Amino acid sequence: GAVVSQHPSRVICKSGTSVKIECRSLDFQATTMFWYRQFPKQSLMLMATSNEGSKATYEQGVEKDKFLINHASLTLSTLTVTSAHPEDSSFYICSARDLQDQETQYFGPGTRLLVL
Amino acid sequence: QQPVQSPQAVILREGEDAVINCSSSKALYSVHWYRQKHGEAPVFLMILLKGGEQKGHEKISASFNEKKQQSSLYLTASQLSYSGTYFCGTGSSNTGKLIFGQGTTLQVKP
Repeated sequence: GAVVSQHPSRVICKSGTSVKIECRSLDFQATTMFWYRQFPKQSLMLMATSNEGSKATYEQGVEKDKFLINHASLTLSTLTVTSAHPEDSSFYICSARDLQDQETQYFGPGTRLLVL
Repeated sequence: QQPVQSPQAVILREGEDAVINCSSSKALYSVHWYRQKHGEAPVFLMILLKGGEQKGHEKISASFNEKKQQSSLYLTASQLSYSGTYFCGTGSSNTGKLIFGQGTTLQVKP
């Protein structure tokens, strides 16, 4: 099956610093990747749609200047949480759509962010 | 708008069956089902598309009623490994954007 990786898997940082999370599709190409945030015991909330070669599309209420998304290639999207605060602590998960099978999305293993 | 899943939680004995429902207030293009275990990422189970196409695991079945904007996931002869939280994700177009339900927690006991 299709594999999506995320790095790092876990990160602890001080308030005010920036954190970059990478999402890679390992055995397929993805023109579209999605970034979700999940708080404990809650559902996945879509933050933004990352499109290769163009600007990301953000969901209502998500600050684009705080959550910077770059989709530089067909296998890599990055999410940078800028000036992180404790309320940004969460589980960040990406998913990727296979270019050959546009309907199915595969999720990465997630990145747990803790901001102190 | 977030789809509504029911029930919120289910406890089963091994070998029993369960049905999880997902209902949307919007017209749907697709319904995706995932299972998530604690601390892990969601794992793809099934996708149902408008028009009747389905893709997914052999041992899991689901239905999609386009008119009622509802989908149901059928888990038969449950195994311990079926335990986890099941999410439905609904798409209103082929853009791939999914809105997830609140989840249904399934616990299978020996």
